[in-house]
Amino acid sequence: EAGVTQSPTHLIKTRGQQATLRCSPISGHTSVYWYQQALGLGLQFLLWYDEGEERNRGNFPPRFSGRQFPNYSSELNVNALELEDSALYLCASSQVRASGGTTDTQYFGPGTRLTVL
Amino acid sequence: AQTVTQSQPEMSVQEAETVTLSCTYDTSESDYYLFWYKQPPSRQMILVIRQEAYKQQNATENRFSVNFQKAAKSFSLKISDSQLGDAAMYFCALSGGYQKVTFGIGTKLQVIP
Repeated sequence: EAGVTQSPTHLIKTRGQQATLRCSPISGHTSVYWYQQALGLGLQFLLWYDEGEERNRGNFPPRFSGRQFPNYSSELNVNALELEDSALYLCASSQVRASGGTTDTQYFGPGTRLTVL
Repeated sequence: AQTVTQSQPEMSVQEAETVTLSCTYDTSESDYYLFWYKQPPSRQMILVIRQEAYKQQNATENRFSVNFQKAAKSFSLKISDSQLGDAAMYFCALSGGYQKVTFGIGTKLQVIP
């Protein structure tokens, strides 16, 4: 079974540009999560999508946005890039319990390393 | 708000010895899950072990086991017979409420040959 995949592996942009990162979840998983992992800061929750809808959002400005497609893959867009956006962006997927409540285990992709010059 | 605290930025262990990584948490939820994830250098984050809060029995996965103290809100990871491949960043995580996951800042584990 294929795991979570992310593309591209590395992305280099300059300040003010836009970056688009992509994620494909494990087959059968409907939820996709995005995290930012900046050096020394651990994982910061960015966004959660399920069934095409944004379900939850972390404490990030609106220039961080995304969407989930009908096939459950997801895209993270970062507009007006700033130097401090340089980080590893991790995508994770999980199954959502039919009864709601706490999620099943999240499985992570290899990440996209975004560098802003 | 839920919080996860890992108070050991770095730990080291001799190969074949046992090491325990600490994690404390806080949540107002009664139903939650706790996880330990491992992130080797420049490699993918992988799940090590998970614990359901409603289960009193501590989870075990081969050489990895947890000491879950619900009343103390403590969730430590014990690695037995440490191997060189265990060297990594270890993150404690809490999933509580509706789809909300909080990670600790990580503990860097060094394994000394």
